[in-house]
Amino acid sequence: GENVEQHPSTLSVQEGDSAVIKCTYSDSASNYFPWYKQELGKRPQLIIDIRSNVGEKKDQRIAVTLNKTAKHFSLHITETQPEDSAVYFCAASKGSGYSTLTFGKGTMLLVSP
Amino acid sequence: DAGITQSPRYKITETGRQVTLMCHQTWSHSYMFWYRQDLGHGLRLIYYSAAADITDKGEVPDGYVVSRSKTENFPLTLESATRSQTSVYFCATGQGNNEQFFGPGTRLTVL
Repeated sequence: GENVEQHPSTLSVQEGDSAVIKCTYSDSASNYFPWYKQELGKRPQLIIDIRSNVGEKKDQRIAVTLNKTAKHFSLHITETQPEDSAVYFCAASKGSGYSTLTFGKGTMLLVSP
Repeated sequence: DAGITQSPRYKITETGRQVTLMCHQTWSHSYMFWYRQDLGHGLRLIYYSAAADITDKGEVPDGYVVSRSKTENFPLTLESATRSQTSVYFCATGQGNNEQFFGPGTRLTVL
C-alpha cells in the first residue's frame, strides 16, 4: 500500500520567517495531495491541496509544490505568524474514482514572536 | 463545521466493556471515515464507508465494528475495549473529489 513520509517532525521558526515541510510518497499512482492543519485540541482542517496535473498551487501565504518524478511534495508558508503554530499533516491518495487518504505522521510547527 | 458531529466528546470506560462512538453528518456526503490519532502515528484509518450498507476495512480495523444503515450516521463500536484503544477518534466525510472533512473528535480513555 501507499506509504507517506513527512519531515521534519518538529520545526521552530521566528515570526516572519518561511517554513517548509516535505513529504514523500511511495505509490506512483497517487494523484491527490492535501495538507491539513490541526491546532491543539481541535480537528484537522484542510488548508490546501494539489492534484497531479498541477505543479504548484498558492493561496495567500501558503503554497504547495509537487514533483511527481521524485514522488515528493512540499508545503511552504511565508511570513509566518504565531497563529500558524500547529501540527501539519500531509496525505496522498490514488486512483480513478474515490480512494482513501494515507497520512504522514505530522510536523509540529512552532512560530515564536 | 456543524455539518458533522461526534458524540460523546469524551468517554472513560473500562477494559472489556462495549463502547459505541457516534458520527452524524448533515451534508449528505457519500463517504464516511473513522480514524484514530495517537502520538507518533498520525491519523490511521480504521474503517470507511462509500454509501449506506457499504463498509470496508482500513489500516487498523482489528477490535472495531462499524455499520451504516443510514447515509447520515456511521457508528463505531469497540466490542470489548482494550487499553491500546485509548486514543482520539475522528470521524470524517467526503465526496467523490477525495476531499475529507473532519468532525470534532472523541477522546476515549480505556482504564
